[in-house]
Amino acid sequence: NAGVTQTPKFQVLKTGQSMTLQCAQDMNHNSMYWYRQDPGMGLRLIYYSASEGTTDKGEVPNGYNVSRLNKREFSLRLESAAPSQTSVYFCASSAAGPLGFYEQYFGPGTRLTVT
Amino acid sequence: RKEVEQDPGPFNVPEGATVAFNCTYSNSASQSFFWYRQDCRKEPKLLMSVYSSGNEDGRFTAQLNRASQYISLLIRDSKLSDSATYLCVVFTGTASKLTFGTGTRLQVTL
Repeated sequence: NAGVTQTPKFQVLKTGQSMTLQCAQDMNHNSMYWYRQDPGMGLRLIYYSASEGTTDKGEVPNGYNVSRLNKREFSLRLESAAPSQTSVYFCASSAAGPLGFYEQYFGPGTRLTVT
Repeated sequence: RKEVEQDPGPFNVPEGATVAFNCTYSNSASQSFFWYRQDCRKEPKLLMSVYSSGNEDGRFTAQLNRASQYISLLIRDSKLSDSATYLCVVFTGTASKLTFGTGTRLQVTL
């Protein structure tokens, strides 16, 4: 059982380049999320998808776009990378648990450097 | 004021010690609370949920104080393998709104 997988694990981009981060989950979860993690900032939500066919902005959506390709896959696109987007990106998925708890399962992360 | 605040640490404790972390949250409408563990350069993983009545899982005990708006995590008989960053996570009722603290780093030494 792979859980949540992300590709690539590492990426270096030049300012202005574009790229897509891929995420897939095999737990049949409805909800999927993209976070970024920066030192001293904690995990911040970029975009989320509550169910297949829907996406919504999180706390820090500027400079990113997402696609919920199907129930399994949720991709994050940087159209024109900037040094401020240097970060570790985590994808997560969840299904509602008892009493409304939303345990989230995370992928291993993508370490992105923009020079 | 940050929505979720934690002491960043590090907490350096010897093996076998008891250590406690607190986390405060600002939104009184917060509904659910969790502790996640994150090892260096790895993804966060759920350690335990925090229930109003408090809950225990082996050496780990979590407590919630709604009146004072904080949650706590107590680790008894610390092991070297407990060395990690512990993230306080608060859920405020919408699918998007899991708010993560910046984490408290624990280092357990021989």
